Amino acid sequence: ETGVTQSPTHLIKTRGQQVTLRCSSQSGHNTVSWYQQALGQGPQFIFQYYREEENGRGNFPPRFSGLQFPNYSSELNVNALELDDSALYLCASSLAPSGGARETQYFGPGTRLLVL
Amino acid sequence: GENVEQHPSTLSVQEGDSAVIKCTYSDSASNYFPWYKQELGKRPQLIIDIRSNVGEKKDQRIAVTLNKTAKHFSLHITETQPEDSAVYFCAAAKGSARQLTFGSGTQLTVLP
Repeated sequence: ETGVTQSPTHLIKTRGQQVTLRCSSQSGHNTVSWYQQALGQGPQFIFQYYREEENGRGNFPPRFSGLQFPNYSSELNVNALELDDSALYLCASSLAPSGGARETQYFGPGTRLLVL
Repeated sequence: GENVEQHPSTLSVQEGDSAVIKCTYSDSASNYFPWYKQELGKRPQLIIDIRSNVGEKKDQRIAVTLNKTAKHFSLHITETQPEDSAVYFCAAAKGSARQLTFGSGTQLTVLP
């Protein structure tokens, strides 16, 4: 198993609410990427954080936002929840050496969000 | 943006046979192609990856081939075992950020 952890493991919210998901990256990793995985589909890239700055964003609306902290852990926030936001949210951490490509991404166990 | 197509969506093989899963990508700038295995209720786990400067890579029973001209890459699993049963995802990324675009997955079932 990887050293990437996520909390909570499961969450139930109602439409219109807001949610915060958390990710603790593997020791020594400075990059966190977030993905949304709907049932029966491949993960979809939401955004990536590198050294506390957003470093790329997929095709998700602004109500999906994030943060990265000095210890490289990260949060994903979703406002105004919609039924279609029900999914498994995965974070993946990796190391980006200075001036180099990010190395292997290691995924956390995910947070399963159900929006009613 | 990048689009990754994966086939087949389901694949059943007898134990000991080989399994092949194929992916195509649309962005010729993509240069990194990992494969992940995801067991039911678990996290995706990297099983092998290949960079665009290499045509083939092998790790024990698993191999990946890349054809940059045709923009497709394939996963080959030989001597399949029941524990190989899982969903397999291919992915592609470009540049150094490695922001992955995934295929839709292949449910591999290895029949004992």
